[in-house]
Amino acid sequence: KQEVTQIPAALSVPEGENLVLNCSFTDSAIYNLQWFRQDPGKGLTSLLLIQSSQREQTSGRLNASLDKSSGRSTLYIAASQPGDSATYLCAVRFVRGQTGANNLFFGTGTRLTVIP
Amino acid sequence: NAGVMQNPRHLVRRRGQEARLRCSPMKGHSHVYWYRQLPEEGLKFMVYLQKENIIDESGMPKERFSAEFPKEGPSILRIQQVVRGDSAAYFCASSPLRTSGLETQYFGPGTRLLVL
Repeated sequence: KQEVTQIPAALSVPEGENLVLNCSFTDSAIYNLQWFRQDPGKGLTSLLLIQSSQREQTSGRLNASLDKSSGRSTLYIAASQPGDSATYLCAVRFVRGQTGANNLFFGTGTRLTVIP
Repeated sequence: NAGVMQNPRHLVRRRGQEARLRCSPMKGHSHVYWYRQLPEEGLKFMVYLQKENIIDESGMPKERFSAEFPKEGPSILRIQQVVRGDSAAYFCASSPLRTSGLETQYFGPGTRLLVL
């Protein structure tokens, strides 16, 4: 069964700290992995997309890594700010998706709070 | 270039009524995906459509739910005879023409359905 798991479910850090969010997936045969941000009552904003052939992607203070063989990805946020407070979702497109390869499998997210 | 648009943003229905959720993909996108996010859960794939075609509906509940993406106009997710368990956020995403499953999905702001 293909699953995506995110740990921790919630995280609180003081402003300025660097932090790491974790995502694990059960099948290493993937097309890509995507990190999203979801603000309360809002839609999803795509942060980073890592193709299966890539090891990492960077955008500003964000860096996402991918280790397909171990089924893991991390999202690193440097110098966290109160505006980073949101839920971060990891989503995987599996090659042999149970519901086809057309859709994303989402984790349940990590709710991040950055304390000023 | 407007993003993915969904309306209404909030919808309240009484048990037994019908709910119609609309999604207009980004300009130039011909693929639409619907996801459902139940309270405190991750997003779950429901259906994948192209214009006038349902490509993959393996995530749709067997009864009461249907989706369409006509040649003209928005994609519609229709829920008949709603029950309280249908209360959720329904997200639509769109993508351009597929290229080996590498395309990014762009998400709309969601429709929050509340069934009383």
